[in-house]
Amino acid sequence: EVQLVESGGGLVQPGRSLRLSCAASGFTFDDYAMHWVRQAPGKGLEWVSGISWNSGSIGYADSVKGRFTISRDNAKNSLYLQMNSLRAEDTALYYCAKEGLLNWPLDYWGQGTLVTVSS
Amino acid sequence: SSELTQDPAVSVALGQTVRITCQGDSLRSYYASWYQQKPGQAPVLVIYGKNNRPSGIPDRFSGSSSGNTASLTITGAQAEDEADYYCNSRDSSGNHPQVFGGGTKLTVL
Repeated sequence: EVQLVESGGGLVQPGRSLRLSCAASGFTFDDYAMHWVRQAPGKGLEWVSGISWNSGSIGYADSVKGRFTISRDNAKNSLYLQMNSLRAEDTALYYCAKEGLLNWPLDYWGQGTLVTVSS
Repeated sequence: SSELTQDPAVSVALGQTVRITCQGDSLRSYYASWYQQKPGQAPVLVIYGKNNRPSGIPDRFSGSSSGNTASLTITGAQAEDEADYYCNSRDSSGNHPQVFGGGTKLTVL
């Protein structure tokens, strides 16, 4: 059974940093690209960042480019999101999602970890 | 980056058929995926590729595509289908692998 478990969220002041983690199990982690998707309270889904299986291809939404860094450790079956210079508009539920091989859907999602940026 | 456009809200009578659409330039190059999200829950993939359903998704859900428009059709909508539906696809511009639509709130009357 595929499982994605996010952690690391919490309340943080504007300008500070936070590191999210996603522990993956139930599939061969290093075969798949992975993504972070966020959802602000009462809003829609927003793709944040994605990383290929070998970290050779990485992308970011314009809203987080230069502030967030995605990474993965295939030996630990883990995905990370380092978030720096946090802003109030980064407040959201952050989901980790696995990308499928056929037509690239996000076929499995975690339950999310909540990040609240407030003074 | 590209954008995907969805109607904010759609309603359907119980047992009837409803189509939810998604428009965007990236859909000329890539198939859309569709996700169902119920309150307080993570999104669930319901359709991907040309018209593929993950295991466990009822066959009343189907997908189609033409030009820059992708559609999710629910044939014989059930009360439990009331949810938010999001389309997404690969992004054909720049270095943004994925893009989402704004979501459609489906109400089953």
